[in-house]
Amino acid sequence: SAVISQKPSRDICQRGTSLTIQCQVDSQVTMMFWYRQQPGQSLTLIATANQGSEATYESGFVIDKFPISRPNLTFSTLTVSNMSPEDSSIYLCSVGTGGREKLFFGSGTQLSVL
Amino acid sequence: GENVEQHPSTLSVQEGDSAVIKCTYSDSASNYFPWYKQELGKRPQLIIDIRSNVGEKKDQRIAVTLNKTAKHFSLHITETQPEDSAVYFCAAGYSSNTGKLIFGQGTTLQVKP
Repeated sequence: SAVISQKPSRDICQRGTSLTIQCQVDSQVTMMFWYRQQPGQSLTLIATANQGSEATYESGFVIDKFPISRPNLTFSTLTVSNMSPEDSSIYLCSVGTGGREKLFFGSGTQLSVL
Repeated sequence: GENVEQHPSTLSVQEGDSAVIKCTYSDSASNYFPWYKQELGKRPQLIIDIRSNVGEKKDQRIAVTLNKTAKHFSLHITETQPEDSAVYFCAAGYSSNTGKLIFGQGTTLQVKP
């Protein structure tokens, strides 16, 4: 499995500010995925990040709120913009290479918005 | 869109007993069904997965069964141990894109020594 590193591991932010989460993978991967896990809840896919093209967002998530970058095959960032307390969640980066590969998660970023 | 229902939400068993967690899915086109274990404060870890061309898969004390006709699949843990205590998530997706998964609500399993 790939080694997936996320930074920061946790942060406490003020309402109205933005936070950028970084995800670094130790090998080249075709697709990277960003998931959200609200407190005590399940995992929900935010968007798929492909290198060289715009991210594909799932229903309920928009680019203005969650802009994503994917500058190369080993790195991606997710920004949570104009934060409110409802954005308090764990944000997880995950990778898969498509086809019959498996999905692995990064260590997560626990975000608290005051 | 796809919807995945998972039951029970909590499950408590005695050490050594078996545990069964069940999931149903709505999209008949789904053909990839992984299970993840998440310990407190840690990332979800893939423990087993099954594709729709097989009905059952085993890995030591863990097994998963799939009934495509009924659109449900189950996780079976035998000879449970305290370290099996965690939240378990089922998910459904497509083998052509195994990163795009719909997760169940999770089952908190407690194994009492």
